[in-house]
Amino acid sequence: EAQVTQNPRYLITVTGKKLTVTCSQNMNHEYMSWYRQDPGLGLRQIYYSMNVEVTDKGDVPEGYKVSRKEKRNFPLILESPSPNQTSLYFCASSFGEIIGPLHFGNGTRLTVT
Amino acid sequence: QQPVQSPQAVILREGEDAVINCSSSKALYSVHWYRQKHGEAPVFLMILLKGGEQKGHEKISASFNEKKQQSSLYLTASQLSYSGTYFCGTEDTGTASKLTFGTGTRLQVTL
Repeated sequence: EAQVTQNPRYLITVTGKKLTVTCSQNMNHEYMSWYRQDPGLGLRQIYYSMNVEVTDKGDVPEGYKVSRKEKRNFPLILESPSPNQTSLYFCASSFGEIIGPLHFGNGTRLTVT
Repeated sequence: QQPVQSPQAVILREGEDAVINCSSSKALYSVHWYRQKHGEAPVFLMILLKGGEQKGHEKISASFNEKKQQSSLYLTASQLSYSGTYFCGTEDTGTASKLTFGTGTRLQVTL
């Protein structure tokens, strides 16, 4: 089944403890992206990648890192999480280096205390 | 800068029509529309490329006026299944491959 898989679905952590949210797609998509969703703010782009080893900042990249060493994986790294990073995170992918229909993962709900 | 969506929320009775607008301050290359149901991931509806085309998807269609940097989503004869939050995403001509979403329009269809 074609899908974008995020793990974990739920995560509660403490301030400053490094964490990684994984994202993997099995559709051979070139384009991948991370969004965070907060009430009243919609979906805000954190980072995106048009291809392997190519990443770029979105609108809210502060406090996040990403890597794209393989086409299928695009992990989101929070080196030192803070409470303002409590949010619902979505990974998405699209065929081609330009944005086509985005396929979203099921989301990761992160709480930082 | 996020595109501006209006209205923020709308309640319809089944069978009624609705229009959701999306406006940007930047010259646009494309406009994307997604629907998100509560507790689920957003789902793709359609993409409109600059050229002023109108696209359709079941009883949902959209238009894109590139001169005004605006897009509108039309929901005709709404069904209960249309309930959810609708997001427009814009890709401006200056930063290709960067998709910026609006804050969403919550649509509720009632009997």
